[in-house]
Amino acid sequence: EPEVTQTPSHQVTQMGQEVILRCVPISNHLYFYWYRQILGQKVEFLVSFYNNEISEKSEIFDDQFSVERPDGSNFTLKIRSTKLEDSAMYFCASSTTTPNEKLFFGSGTQLSVL
Amino acid sequence: KQEVTQIPAALSVPEGENLVLNCSFTDSAIYNLQWFRQDPGKGLTSLLLIQSSQREQTSGRLNASLDKSSGRSTLYIAASQPGDSATYLCAANRDDKIIFGKGTRLHILP
Repeated sequence: EPEVTQTPSHQVTQMGQEVILRCVPISNHLYFYWYRQILGQKVEFLVSFYNNEISEKSEIFDDQFSVERPDGSNFTLKIRSTKLEDSAMYFCASSTTTPNEKLFFGSGTQLSVL
Repeated sequence: KQEVTQIPAALSVPEGENLVLNCSFTDSAIYNLQWFRQDPGKGLTSLLLIQSSQREQTSGRLNASLDKSSGRSTLYIAASQPGDSATYLCAANRDDKIIFGKGTRLHILP
């Protein structure tokens, strides 16, 4: 069964450093998302992406965050200057032709900012 | 602003029992509602998706209902098994943004 792939599974970085989290969505999916989950808290929406542009973003997704689809398969989340509070599990997700379809999630990247 | 609440936060039941997990949402103008399962340290697996025009969906031992007017959804698990132990999340979808509840941690006692 096709799946969303995320790399790396764990990322440790120093505060102030830039990180790029990578995702390969399911190949025929057109809607892409990033979510994050701080330990013990809710899964929080960050951003949705369709047709090579952001369609929705949350208050969390400030100027420190950016997303990109650099080629036909990858979808990346960049955090320019990481803060301690960015430590979380980051999930990528995708869905098919509309946002009303099932979301398929990757297994996540655990980001630890020291 | 959409708020999604799940009750109870945690539940332990003996194997074989039927159980109900509850979800409520504040904004009834949703496209759909999904139930997910999350195992510790893992991603989320979609279990059931109910479109706004539907009342319920079934998959195997799972049945999810949706009452938009009252802002409620329930997930019914029949004949629970130890392998059902996980956190169950409900999520309301509107405007290409999915808002999650905090989840119910379910523990099935063998």
